[in-house]
Amino acid sequence: AQSVSQHNHHVILSEAASLELGCNYSYGGTVNLFWYVQYPGQHLQLLLKYFSGDPLVKGIKGFEAEFIKSKFSFNLRKPSVQWSDTAEYFCAVNALPGSNYQLIWGAGTKLIIKP
Amino acid sequence: DVKVTQSSRYLVKRTGEKVFLECVQDMDHENMFWYRQDPGLGLRLIYFSYDVKMKEKGDIPEGYSVSREKKERFSLILESASTNQTSMYLCASTPEVSDYNEQFFGPGTRLTVL
Repeated sequence: AQSVSQHNHHVILSEAASLELGCNYSYGGTVNLFWYVQYPGQHLQLLLKYFSGDPLVKGIKGFEAEFIKSKFSFNLRKPSVQWSDTAEYFCAVNALPGSNYQLIWGAGTKLIIKP
Repeated sequence: DVKVTQSSRYLVKRTGEKVFLECVQDMDHENMFWYRQDPGLGLRLIYFSYDVKMKEKGDIPEGYSVSREKKERFSLILESASTNQTSMYLCASTPEVSDYNEQFFGPGTRLTVL
């Protein structure tokens, strides 16, 4: 069965530190890849997405992610985090063809930024 | 902007009660989803619907049913609520034709079953 693994359930960083959140998936075919973010008390929103082309994708608020097909990975990065980045981050994968609108979700990573 | 709304942000019910959670989207999306979100488990799909009156079971459909009588509205029903259904419930929608199938989420309903 397809699955998505997020390596860390909790990450605590100081402001200005660099961030990398890991995401690996288990599927050998074509994928669309997403990172969603849920700020405290807010609904899930799309941070960035990859569906083709340049494997380095840029999202909102200075986040980026790199798709490495050989490693089945889509890690999220930000060079310098801010207190306002405190949130839960979810990686999701859409495996193609077949379930062309279902997403497989990782368990999420709670990021806490210390001011 | 796509807007997905859910009928309640917080709900408290008693064991055995029948519970209705409503979701409405205003972008004419064909596909709608119900998830539950639990700490450490991410989002788990309960049911989804790809058209009016059409539904498919997700990963954890037991104890739930759904209804989609109109395209914009997707209801989740807990026939007889139990304490293990205490959770955050999220509704999402996505259009049928999309390059990348981004899902748009509602604010969630935090359900507590006593």
